[in-house]
Amino acid sequence: NAGVTQTPKFQVLKTGQSMTLQCAQDMNHEYMSWYRQDPGMGLRLIHYSVGAGITDQGEVPNGYNVSRSTTEDFPLRLLSAAPSQTSVYFCASIRTGGSLNYGYTFGSGTRLTVV
Amino acid sequence: SQQGEEDPQALSIQEGENATMNCSYKTSINNLQWYRQNSGRGLVHLILIRSNEREKHSGRLRVTLDTSKKSSSLLITASRAADTASYFCATVVPSSGSARQLTFGSGTQLTVLP
Repeated sequence: NAGVTQTPKFQVLKTGQSMTLQCAQDMNHEYMSWYRQDPGMGLRLIHYSVGAGITDQGEVPNGYNVSRSTTEDFPLRLLSAAPSQTSVYFCASIRTGGSLNYGYTFGSGTRLTVV
Repeated sequence: SQQGEEDPQALSIQEGENATMNCSYKTSINNLQWYRQNSGRGLVHLILIRSNEREKHSGRLRVTLDTSKKSSSLLITASRAADTASYFCATVVPSSGSARQLTFGSGTQLTVLP
């Protein structure tokens, strides 16, 4: 099925551990982004990419790294997890120029708990 | 900072009634979008309204946009229990580049009672 696939769905980390949240899309979308969602709040943009090899920071980038080696994949790395990074993480994609006329496609999310 | 703020934060209605949610935003926009999020799931795009449009319909959904007041409303008619979800507005703002980020509001939790 076409769409955005995120793995894992759930993860528990200890403070200081590192991990990578995976995001893949098969719609040939140039634009991909990562959001975090905290209780009672909307989604906040962490990092985004407008194409392979190009990434940029969003509203809350500290503590996260990204890379975009292919059009399909956009992994999010936590180098040293902190309790403040406990959240639900969503990946979203859209084709370039599509945001003027179409909605974004979201993955089903990764629920991360840092203890 | 969040672009959009939604009102009310929570809404509980009976099946068959209409549900209205409001969204206010701060800056000029290209378009405003509404998304639904079922509990524990990702967001699903519902409807998009461009800055030069005032009203749009899609099935049981009706969206209005008032750019002079920087506000939008989402009306769900003849609600069903399956409409129970969180609803978010999100805006796309003018940008010189190709990156058109979505900026979300805090959401309205709608509960439709059978």
